[in-house]
Amino acid sequence: ETGVTQTPRHLVMGMTNKKSLKCEQHLGHNAMYWYKQSAKKPLELMFVYSLEERVENNSVPSRFSPECPNSSHLFLHLHTLQPEDSALYLCASSQGSLAGGTSTDTQYFGPGTRLTVL
Amino acid sequence: GENVEQHPSTLSVQEGDSAVIKCTYSDSASNYFPWYKQELGKRPQLIIDIRSNVGEKKDQRIAVTLNKTAKHFSLHITETQPEDSAVYFCAPRRGGSTLGRLYFGRGTQLTVWP
Repeated sequence: ETGVTQTPRHLVMGMTNKKSLKCEQHLGHNAMYWYKQSAKKPLELMFVYSLEERVENNSVPSRFSPECPNSSHLFLHLHTLQPEDSALYLCASSQGSLAGGTSTDTQYFGPGTRLTVL
Repeated sequence: GENVEQHPSTLSVQEGDSAVIKCTYSDSASNYFPWYKQELGKRPQLIIDIRSNVGEKKDQRIAVTLNKTAKHFSLHITETQPEDSAVYFCAPRRGGSTLGRLYFGRGTQLTVWP
């Protein structure tokens, strides 16, 4: 599947490193999302971008910084992470917009980036 | 926010049997009820969804039923096959809220034994 792609697929970093995750969607969608998937926890929505607006989960630490330069690309900048940030980070996209998304706004997920923080 | 619970957390069935996973939610404003399937090492994918104005929807071997009064909806898989083995997530969506704000359940690990 090539609708939503993510790079890198695997990343190992130290707590003092700075790295970025990249997501790209080729579906012509207007909204993109970052999710965190940890073992034995629900998928956690981190950030939503739609038409250059941003909505975020207030519980996400500031060491995670999203960037959405256009509707097709989404980045997650990482700095001074903690070992508990190790998880699968999933990007998703959907058709809708913040100005009134449809009730059936299906989300299409990327393959994820498996992040390990040492 | 929405409180979403899935039951059971794990489910093992023999090939050919049926499997049912239940999802309960707390927000009565929820109006969209999808189920996602995530195979090991792969991304979550939508397999079926239902809107609040419909009580049941079927697509071949899978179906979803909704009880809005009781605030739960269920995934039904008939004639299960080994390739149905995966984690299944429910993700009810609150109507009129922030775009795409799906609240995922913790997932149900379904194992189908040949």
